[in-house]
Amino acid sequence: EIVLTQSPGTLSLSPGERATLSCRASQSVSSSYLAWYQQKPGQAPRLLIYGASSRATGIPDRFSGSGSGTDFTLTISRLEPEDFAVYYCQQYGSSPAFGGGTKVEIK
Amino acid sequence: EVQLVESGGGLVQPGRSLRLSCAASGFTFDDYAMHWVRQAPGKGLEWVSGISWNSGSIGYADSVKGRFTISRDNAKNSLYLQMNSLRAEDTALYYCAKDARIAARHWDAFDIWGQGTMVTVSS
Repeated sequence: EIVLTQSPGTLSLSPGERATLSCRASQSVSSSYLAWYQQKPGQAPRLLIYGASSRATGIPDRFSGSGSGTDFTLTISRLEPEDFAVYYCQQYGSSPAFGGGTKVEIK
Repeated sequence: EVQLVESGGGLVQPGRSLRLSCAASGFTFDDYAMHWVRQAPGKGLEWVSGISWNSGSIGYADSVKGRFTISRDNAKNSLYLQMNSLRAEDTALYYCAKDARIAARHWDAFDIWGQGTMVTVSS
């Protein structure tokens, strides 16, 4: 079973700043089966990134994903007010699992 | 419009059973694997179970294995989760989610989610 650890737990930033979120896997994630989701209060999660670096349909290009093996990163180049939310990484392909989440809050 | 609508949640006593349903519309249901994901109040996401497009492949989280059963009826565009021997720790919002790729050989990312149905296990 692959365990995903996200850091930091909370990221306090201002609109316009760059956000860098980390996701580390306990073992290599095969074929980059790594996704990122955004969740706002009272809403279902929304798929942002799949295959470690491919943006889902309709996702702005300020969101980008990178990494391979055990280390993955979600970068939001310039935070917009609507980007303040909780972000989860997920590995899929075999037995899906989510990381514990990173909350991006307004500083 | 692609849509998933969950139902069947509620308050149930420990040890009892509950069956969740998810009605799909706006896409060819029998082309995609489907999943249940839960979220305890104030907590993160936990994958519960997944079923392939033809029910040939099924998986469960260790926390529910032997107690929960996933199934689907492609003729009715519906996904189900039979939950038996419920425990307090099963209390959560249960989401239905769709695999992103058609007839994928492995589970894929989840591109469409419902709004969830709340299950509360308490005496």
